[in-house]
Amino acid sequence: SQTIHQWPATLVQPVGSPLSLECTVEGTSNPNLYWYRQAAGRGLQLLFYSVGIGQISSEVPQNLSASRPQDRQFILSSKKLLLSDSGFYLCAWSVPPRGETQYFGPGTRLLVL
Amino acid sequence: QKEVEQDPGPLSVPEGAIVSLNCTYSNSAFQYFMWYRQYSRKGPELLMYTYSSGNKEDGRFTAQVDKSSKYISLFIRDSQPSDSATYLCAITPVYTGNQFYFGTGTSLTVIP
Repeated sequence: SQTIHQWPATLVQPVGSPLSLECTVEGTSNPNLYWYRQAAGRGLQLLFYSVGIGQISSEVPQNLSASRPQDRQFILSSKKLLLSDSGFYLCAWSVPPRGETQYFGPGTRLLVL
Repeated sequence: QKEVEQDPGPLSVPEGAIVSLNCTYSNSAFQYFMWYRQYSRKGPELLMYTYSSGNKEDGRFTAQVDKSSKYISLFIRDSQPSDSATYLCAITPVYTGNQFYFGTGTSLTVIP
């Protein structure tokens, strides 16, 4: 069966510090991978998605970047965090080519102070 | 216009009640319809998905799709306190990779 991991679970960082969130998927090959941010009381905002190693599409211009160094590894980064980067970050995967459902990881709660 | 609109709630029902959660969508190109359950401080968990009009049942949960009205519903029978969570609807036209659209979620509380 497939499993998706995210770490860390919780992170408190000062403004201006760097960020690295990691997501790995087990039990599937060549998945589509996604990073979402979920702000309190608001919907899911798609940040990045990837259809393969090194292939990243950015959905919104922002202070964040993503990389996919391996088939089942997806990393969300920032060089300098802003207060507005606080939120709940979710990694998800789907099975191409249909990609009719997405499966989410447990999430990382980020608080920027 | 948003691709999908969801009744915001919150909903509070007594244990054993039937719960109805609803979403509408705007584009008839959407083909797959999903419901997720999200407990506080957790990732969304896929509950059910369907692609055809009509009902799909799984235990106490029934997903209903009306493509002519662009309306999707999730019914929970014999609701339990453990059903207390936020429920998200989601839609996608498939084969697009990135076009998943989520409702903002309905918060449900089932009171024992």
